[in-house]
Amino acid sequence: GDSVTQMEGPVTLSEEAFLTINCTYTATGYPSLFWYVQYPGEGLQLLLKATKADDKGSNKGFEATYRKETTSFHLEKGSVQVSDSAVYFCALGGAQKLVFGQGTRLTINP
Amino acid sequence: EAGVVQSPRYKIIEKKQPVAFWCNPISGHNTLYWYRQNLGQGPELLIRYENEEAVDDSQLPKDRFSAERLKGVDSTLKIQPAELGDSAVYLCASSSRGQPSGGYTFGSGTRLTVV
Repeated sequence: GDSVTQMEGPVTLSEEAFLTINCTYTATGYPSLFWYVQYPGEGLQLLLKATKADDKGSNKGFEATYRKETTSFHLEKGSVQVSDSAVYFCALGGAQKLVFGQGTRLTINP
Repeated sequence: EAGVVQSPRYKIIEKKQPVAFWCNPISGHNTLYWYRQNLGQGPELLIRYENEEAVDDSQLPKDRFSAERLKGVDSTLKIQPAELGDSAVYLCASSSRGQPSGGYTFGSGTRLTVV
C-alpha cells in the first residue's frame, strides 16, 4: 500500500539556519503530496501542496518540489525562525484519504 | 469563517467506559473524515463520510467503534467500551467538492486518555 517515510527527528537548529526535512513516498499512481504543520497545542494545518510531478509548493518561506524520479517531496526553508518550531508531517493522497508520515519535530533555538 | 470545531478538547476515562467525540465541519463541506493520531505517529484514517453516507469505514474497528453523521453535517464518533490502547488524539477534518486534490481542514482534535 501507499506509504510515506520522513526524516527522523527531533531536529534542532539555530535561528536563521537552513532547513531540510526529507520525505520519500511509495504510491501507486500519481497522488498529490502535502506538508502539514502542527504547532504546540493546535491542530494540523496545511502548509503547502503539490498535485503533479515537478510542481513546487510554497508558503511562509517553505518550499517543496514533487520529484517523481526520486519519489521525494523534501521540505526546505532558507532561514528558520523560532516561530517555526512545530511538528511537520509529510502526506500523500487526495480527497479520499491522506497517508501521513510519522512526523518530524523541529525546534529552533534563538 | 469558522473552522472545524471539535469537542471536548480533552477526555480522561477509565477502561471499559464509553466515550463520544463530536465534530462540526466547515459549513458547506460535504466530506467529513475522522482520523486517529497515536503518540509520536502521523494520523490514520478511521472513516470518511460523503454527506451522510459512510463511504470508507474499512479502518474503523467496528467491534467497539461507531460513527454517525446525521443530516450530513455534524458527526459523532463513539467508543464502547474503551481500551487502554485507544488513548490517542482523534481528529476530524472536512473538505468540499472543490478540493479534489485533498488538503483538508482539520479540527484541533480530542485528546483521549484511557486509564
